[in-house]
Amino acid sequence: GENVEQHPSTLSVQEGDSAVIKCTYSDSASNYFPWYKQELGKRPQLIIDIRSNVGEKKDQRIAVTLNKTAKHFSLHITETQPEDSAVYFCAARRAGTASKLTFGTGTRLQVTL
Amino acid sequence: DGGITQSPKYLFRKEGQNVTLSCEQNLNHDAMYWYRQDPGQGLRLIYYSQIVNDFQKGDIAEGYSVSREKKESFPLTVTSAQKNPTAFYLCASSGDAWSGETQYFGPGTRLLVL
Repeated sequence: GENVEQHPSTLSVQEGDSAVIKCTYSDSASNYFPWYKQELGKRPQLIIDIRSNVGEKKDQRIAVTLNKTAKHFSLHITETQPEDSAVYFCAARRAGTASKLTFGTGTRLQVTL
Repeated sequence: DGGITQSPKYLFRKEGQNVTLSCEQNLNHDAMYWYRQDPGQGLRLIYYSQIVNDFQKGDIAEGYSVSREKKESFPLTVTSAQKNPTAFYLCASSGDAWSGETQYFGPGTRLLVL
């Protein structure tokens, strides 16, 4: 089955700096890659997703890039703010299956003043 | 995702007891899912249902059971066979299990063993 690895497990950046979180997946048939943000004790919330027919997607300060050949995708957050502090999860879904998402183990992002 | 509710927020289980976690959605979504979240780990899929009266095992189904008698409801029972049930349980739903539509999560239930 699909295996998703996520790095780093923790990331500390200063306010205003950029943050990058990377994920690799094992199943070349995966075609949908969402990113979720989870604040302490809260539910995961989708922040951005990308499908395999595009290489990059942006939404204000957040962007995701996908390299299908290398089977990895990354989340980029620019101009980080304290409210960006949370745990971020990547996930992958294989085409042609019921929507079973395989999640990475999460990255705890801390934005310091 | 405000259309997905879970109850209770906290649940305590005694040894040998079965407990049921509730998940309701008013989004008219076909597919529903149950995940377990442990500290330092990602979300692991317990069960999922693509349509009423049908459900499939996920990656860690042992010790759990579900039912899907109504489109809007997908309760999860944690049985006494689940030896390490302490975790944060998240329910999710999506419009169509096959098209890859986004999964939206409920607020979660934290299960603790007494």
